Amino acid sequence: AQSVTQLDSQVPVFEEAPVELRCNYSSSVSVYLFWYVQYPNQGLQLLLKYLSGSTLVESINGFEAEFNKSQTSFHLRKPSVHISDTAEYFCAVSGGYSSASKIIFGSGTRLSIRP
Amino acid sequence: KAGVTQTPRYLIKTRGQQVTLSCSPISGHRSVSWYQQTPGQGLQFLFEYFSETQRNKGNFPGRFSGRQFSNSRSEMNVSTLELGDSALYLCASSSATDNYGYTFGSGTRLTVV
Repeated sequence: AQSVTQLDSQVPVFEEAPVELRCNYSSSVSVYLFWYVQYPNQGLQLLLKYLSGSTLVESINGFEAEFNKSQTSFHLRKPSVHISDTAEYFCAVSGGYSSASKIIFGSGTRLSIRP
Repeated sequence: KAGVTQTPRYLIKTRGQQVTLSCSPISGHRSVSWYQQTPGQGLQFLFEYFSETQRNKGNFPGRFSGRQFSNSRSEMNVSTLELGDSALYLCASSSATDNYGYTFGSGTRLTVV
């Protein structure tokens, strides 16, 4: 079985400060890892994903995450946040596209940016 | 390309009634998954359909059911609604040929009174 733990339910930071949202997973099989973002009253948007290859993955808006197999982690980082990054962030894991394709989500981390 | 469309966006129902929610996936996507999101339980997987067949199922009572049509559109039904069914219901579609990206709709906000 797979599971995801997001270690922080809320992370307040000042604008232009760096941020790290922590995510640990457990799985007995190879995994696909994701970060999704949810803005108020909206669905989830895929921020970035790790399927294979380079362990460092980047999004178009400055976020990056590093897959660390030995620590079973997939932390999300951004060197300088903006007010517009205020949202809830979900880490997720999946065992693959075929028979075990359901995505398991963490409980979410609410990122609040202070001016 | 058009995204995942969920209808209706908002719904208010009375306890004991039943409700049907609709999801139109991205064109060409054959997998449709449904999730329930609540403040207390977070995002919980309901079920997944692939080519009109239920491929995965979460731990929800039999009051929750779904189906998928030949054009990949999916519906979920909740019968005998309870107050605890109030939630945001999210649908996601995916395709292996789309580089394994799960795309979510904006959700249907169901309120049971």
